[in-house]
Amino acid sequence: QQPVQSPQAVILREGEDAVINCSSSKALYSVHWYRQKHGEAPVFLMILLKGGEQKGHDKISASFNEKKQQSSLYLTASQLSYSGTYFCGTELNNTNAGKSTFGDGTTLTVKP
Amino acid sequence: GAVVSQHPSWVICKSGTSVKIECRSLDFQATTMFWYRQFPKQSLMLMATSNEGSKATYEQGVEKDKFLINHASLTLSTLTVTSAHPEDSSFYICSAATSGGYAGELFFGEGSRLTVL
Repeated sequence: QQPVQSPQAVILREGEDAVINCSSSKALYSVHWYRQKHGEAPVFLMILLKGGEQKGHDKISASFNEKKQQSSLYLTASQLSYSGTYFCGTELNNTNAGKSTFGDGTTLTVKP
Repeated sequence: GAVVSQHPSWVICKSGTSVKIECRSLDFQATTMFWYRQFPKQSLMLMATSNEGSKATYEQGVEKDKFLINHASLTLSTLTVTSAHPEDSSFYICSAATSGGYAGELFFGEGSRLTVL
């Protein structure tokens, strides 16, 4: 079942913050986030496995709510390099490792 | 991180011909690889799961005879688009999960853009 991502698109100025959400109607085993630049393959950002988990790297962080049905990706003090399409990938269980269902993506544009 | 290489990056072919796309895990063994298709400004659509040494598992609606998948070794999976037609034009991407201690991280190839004339 495909997760729902929101918003579909967001335009920022450099230094502004953004939040991208990924929701599921069922409890998830895992959520992972990827960024894809135009014409390139997606690049892994991070994975969340535990309800209530939060993690981050540099100025990009993510959370997984207690019910494990929603995850949010936080981009703070955005840089031009953050531009791209962000996808969340979700797995309902760990029986088919790697078999993820992806959201439709959120296109982030950071302007100078 | 682990590296997955896809080849070719792009290919243009005539309608009716077959095209093979390779996906290699360069520094790790991948018992399972995944093939996706992506249309412009759309999400990744899983086409099939490629299992080393066994038949691929196709998603509903994906023609097995049209999209042949072979996972001959722990580092190589191939996707062959047979008798390609213009509607097969798309961006095809493979991914692999490192075997053992899998924690959900998928490593993607660079993608192959197929254009069928």
